[in-house]
Amino acid sequence: SQQGEEDPQALSIQEGENATMNCSYKTSINNLQWYRQNSGRGLVHLILIRSNEREKHSGRLRVTLDTSKKSSSLLITASRAADTASYFCATDSLGGSNYKLTFGKGTLLTVNP
Amino acid sequence: DVKVTQSSRYLVKRTGEKVFLECVQDMDHENMFWYRQDPGLGLRLIYFSYDVKMKEKGDIPEGYSVSREKKERFSLILESASTNQTSMYLCASSLSGGTVINQPQHFGDGTRLSIL
Repeated sequence: SQQGEEDPQALSIQEGENATMNCSYKTSINNLQWYRQNSGRGLVHLILIRSNEREKHSGRLRVTLDTSKKSSSLLITASRAADTASYFCATDSLGGSNYKLTFGKGTLLTVNP
Repeated sequence: DVKVTQSSRYLVKRTGEKVFLECVQDMDHENMFWYRQDPGLGLRLIYFSYDVKMKEKGDIPEGYSVSREKKERFSLILESASTNQTSMYLCASSLSGGTVINQPQHFGDGTRLSIL
């Protein structure tokens, strides 16, 4: 079964607005990662947050993790047209494989100029 | 910056052919991965390699094999291509250190493979 699932599947906003994407997962994790994928390209790593962390920042990105709810959110502030991409969360499984990440199906973010 | 290079962006092959997809990384990473990405199914791990000549099966290894003769190069082989292997194939690499899953993965731009 899918470990990480993003919500919403698609999001359309205006430039300058904030975008929030959510990820829910089923089993306990060691860490959770967020990736971005521009159309027709590979994935780019954005942020890794460990299970003992609650919040992490990187530039205009803010990631939160709530292990009690088994969920994470990715906030992009002051969005730009260049942020248009698909965003994926990826999780491991506590006590499971030490190399296998499970990727969600992604949120397609469109930022309109 | 880490560079992961996949040999072809687009490839068209025929059913039954043996197909080789090549991936090279330039950052001396120990770990390399092959995924396929399909609409509605997301990314699925085909094979993982943690060292030269070492490999582990992922979630969907059937119909595929891999080769890692040199640290920087990881090849995916479709033994006898079938139409259900039409997909986007993504290669990734990561450092060792701690556990593999604690390291970010660096992806190539993918090979869009069509099997006719």
